[in-house]
Amino acid sequence: DAGVIQSPRHEVTEMGQEVTLRCKPISGHNSLFWYRQTMMRGLELLIYFNNNVPIDDSGMPEDRFSAKMPNASFSTLKIQPSEPRDSAVYFCASREGAGTDTQYFGPGTRLTVL
Amino acid sequence: AQSVTQLDSHVSVSEGTPVLLRCNYSSSYSPSLFWYVQHPNKGLQLLLKYTSAATLVKGINGFEAEFKKSETSFHLTKPSAHMSDAAEYFCVVSDPSGTYKYIFGTGTRLKVLA
Repeated sequence: DAGVIQSPRHEVTEMGQEVTLRCKPISGHNSLFWYRQTMMRGLELLIYFNNNVPIDDSGMPEDRFSAKMPNASFSTLKIQPSEPRDSAVYFCASREGAGTDTQYFGPGTRLTVL
Repeated sequence: AQSVTQLDSHVSVSEGTPVLLRCNYSSSYSPSLFWYVQHPNKGLQLLLKYTSAATLVKGINGFEAEFKKSETSFHLTKPSAHMSDAAEYFCVVSDPSGTYKYIFGTGTRLKVLA
């Protein structure tokens, strides 16, 4: 199993630019989570999908952030426009189904906004 | 409400000596509890999981954890530390209210001295 795949692994961009982060969950997993990790705030859940439907987006910091899951094997997290305070490591995790609880994490995308 | 407390933000041990990373939880339900490890610039890797089948849970790389309901603890141990164990460790409780969202501890950074 390839595990959760994220791309890019590193992204450096300038303030005001659009950033798109990508995630491929483990095949057969029905739930997908986006997290943000910073030194100050630790790991924060941004949004949670089940069967491609957003279930809880209460962690999305503001309207500049949006996430989609057009199919079971792909999700994107978009930031537009990006700001320096968005600099963080963004993780995607997947889970087999709503009735299970073990999440498997991807390697993360380190985002730097200058 | 669920919560988890990691009692030490940093732990230092000498190579070959035992490791103890402490975690206390609060849960209104029978919780699922996890330990994850995060090596520098890597994603979170599942070490072990407790789901009420057995109070002593064995994980990967020689780690184990014991669930003690009376003490609301789930401490992580390893008999002999290896240099490769140097990483950050997260204790996690799963919210069983239906969403099975994760509640993360703040992490313990383990340093292994040669």
